[in-house]
Amino acid sequence: AQSVTQLGSHVSVSEGALVLLRCNYSSSVPPYLFWYVQYPNQGLQLLLKYTSAATLVKGINGFEAEFKKSETSFHLTKPSAHMSDAAEYFCAVSDRNFQGGKLIFGQGTELSVKP
Amino acid sequence: EPEVTQTPSHQVTQMGQEVILRCVPISNHLYFYWYRQILGQKVEFLVSFYNNEISEKSEIFDDQFSVERPDGSNFTLKIRSTKLEDSAMYFCASSEVQGVAGYTFGSGTRLTVV
Repeated sequence: AQSVTQLGSHVSVSEGALVLLRCNYSSSVPPYLFWYVQYPNQGLQLLLKYTSAATLVKGINGFEAEFKKSETSFHLTKPSAHMSDAAEYFCAVSDRNFQGGKLIFGQGTELSVKP
Repeated sequence: EPEVTQTPSHQVTQMGQEVILRCVPISNHLYFYWYRQILGQKVEFLVSFYNNEISEKSEIFDDQFSVERPDGSNFTLKIRSTKLEDSAMYFCASSEVQGVAGYTFGSGTRLTVV
C-alpha cells in the first residue's frame, strides 16, 4: 500500500527565507509524486509533479522538488518565501501503474510567512 | 484555462437528509473523481468513475454514497442519509487521460451536517 508522510504540520518562515517542506513516501512500485497548494477557502492547485522524467522538478510560483529514490523523499523548496506563499501544502503519491488514478495525500503542512 | 466547477460552494443540511453535490468536469475529460477533506484532516479518495461506471471506491464510499453522470456535462455525488461525520469539504476532479498526471480539481463544496 502507498502512503505519504509530511513532516511538520506547521512551518513558519520569514519573508525572503528558504522554504523547505518535507515529504516522504512509501510505495511498492515506482510512484508518481505531486505537490498541491490550497489557499484559504479554495480548491487544490497543482504546484508540480514527478512522473519519471527529471528528478528535479520545477513548478509554479518558484517552487521545486527533488525526487530521491534512495531516501524515498520528495521535499518541496523555494529559495525565497513571499507573503503570498502562506497556504496549506499537500504532498501526494499515486501508483503509476494503477488504472484508476487514485491519489494518496499526506496530512498537509501549513506554511506561515512572517514579514 | 478550463475549470472544474462545483456547486454549491457551501451547503448546510440536517442529519438524515439527502444531499446531491454537483460537478461540471472539463468538457473533454473522461475520468472523474470525488475526494473529501474533513476539517483539519487530509484529503481522502472516495471514488473514481469512467465510462459510466465506478472504477474504484474507497472504504469510505459505502452504500450511503452514489455517483452519477446524468447527462453529458454533470457528475454528481449523492449522500442518501447524511450523518454528522459527513461534514467535510468535497472535491471533484477530472482528467483527460487515465491516471493522475492530468488531474484538475474543483474548488470544492463545503458540506455542513447539523
